[in-house]
Amino acid sequence: EAGVAQSPRYKIIEKRQSVAFWCNPISGHATLYWYQQILGQGPKLLIQFQNNGVVDDSQLPKDRFSAERLKGVDSTLKIQPAKLEDSAVYLCASSLVRTVGTLSYEQYFGPGTRLTVT
Amino acid sequence: GEDVEQSLFLSVREGDSSVINCTYTDSSSTYLYWYKQEPGAGLQLLTYIFSNMDMKQDQRLTVLLNKKDKHLSLRIADTQTGDSAIYFCAEGGSQGNLIFGKGTKLSVKP
Repeated sequence: EAGVAQSPRYKIIEKRQSVAFWCNPISGHATLYWYQQILGQGPKLLIQFQNNGVVDDSQLPKDRFSAERLKGVDSTLKIQPAKLEDSAVYLCASSLVRTVGTLSYEQYFGPGTRLTVT
Repeated sequence: GEDVEQSLFLSVREGDSSVINCTYTDSSSTYLYWYKQEPGAGLQLLTYIFSNMDMKQDQRLTVLLNKKDKHLSLRIADTQTGDSAIYFCAEGGSQGNLIFGKGTKLSVKP
């Protein structure tokens, strides 16, 4: 079974430029997550999709970050314009269903995209 | 609010046991998780424990949960150099997301 795919693996941009990341979840996984992992910290959720609908985007800086999940499969995360503090690894994860209450399904993580903003 | 705390570093000798500790704040979390992250790689789920359990054992891994103190620990028996990585404790958030600690970097010396 193929894992979660992400591209690019690395990206270097200057501040105020735009950047986009792509994620292809595991086939059949309804739920998709984008996490931001700043160096030395744990991942922090940015946005969560259930199929192509947004479940939680409360931590997404909506003035500069946007995300979409077309047709409930692939997803893109965009930053426009980028700031120095956006330098981080952006992790995509997917799971069969959303973890709610007594239900829990493993989240499978991709390798991440390392973004450096100079 | 939701918060997960863990010590940042742990160093052990090969063959010893490693114990990584974590405290969390959300008593309503149904599941608690341990993830492993190797350099340049994504996160890998090691094990998880349901909140009504005190202990879970999976080969070399033992998870202990003290729900009263909101304390979770991961014990790795017979630690090997291949166990060197960053270990993250995580609790399940109310919306189904994961809330991670900052990670504990485990160094295993030969």
